[in-house]
Amino acid sequence: DAKTTQPPSMDCAEGRAANLPCNHSTISGNEYVYWYRQIHSQGPQYIIHGLKNNETNEMASLIITEDRKSSTLILPHATLRDTAVYYCIVKGRRIYNQGGKLIFGQGTELSVKP
Amino acid sequence: NAGVTQTPKFQVLKTGQSMTLQCAQDMNHEYMSWYRQDPGMGLRLIHYSVGAGITDQGEVPNGYNVSRSTTEDFPLRLLSAAPSQTSVYFCASSYSSSGPYEQYFGPGTRLTVT
Repeated sequence: DAKTTQPPSMDCAEGRAANLPCNHSTISGNEYVYWYRQIHSQGPQYIIHGLKNNETNEMASLIITEDRKSSTLILPHATLRDTAVYYCIVKGRRIYNQGGKLIFGQGTELSVKP
Repeated sequence: NAGVTQTPKFQVLKTGQSMTLQCAQDMNHEYMSWYRQDPGMGLRLIHYSVGAGITDQGEVPNGYNVSRSTTEDFPLRLLSAAPSQTSVYFCASSYSSSGPYEQYFGPGTRLTVT
């Protein structure tokens, strides 16, 4: 699985968009970009994933660059409840062949401030 | 759906005691796994299962046993607890092991071994 690089921390004002970057310059063609978050003391929560096209769901948008070497997770209107550690993970399609392991890394600690 | 449930939420053991951490999911998911999370170490995969009757080791399996007799349940057994097993344990499940499916995590079990 490709390695990812994320800033260790970011701040965002409540109600504003939070843009969390991730670098995955060694990503291969069949690897997906996943985003998870972990709110303090809770289990990780899936947010979104994508392969090449931009994706949007009820929680967030995922923008993947054309060369796929980086991506940005966008929380359009951040709230205090979005304060969490956000993990960008790159993984191939077949969980079984890769042992099912999600490599969480250190993530970005997002603080949403009033 | 209850999603992924874990019991107990908290547990204190003495060195040498054994116990079973319970994990259940009601989503008919094929893939289930156990992680442990320690400060500064991220989440590490202990064991995983791609279906009833099939289990395999993750990156830190020593001291733990698993079995998968039903699709719903994936208990984690600590054979002889050691202080190094003090950690937060998360169970996760996914629809299938052969696709880009998200993993759903339980709320965690906080284990202290004295």
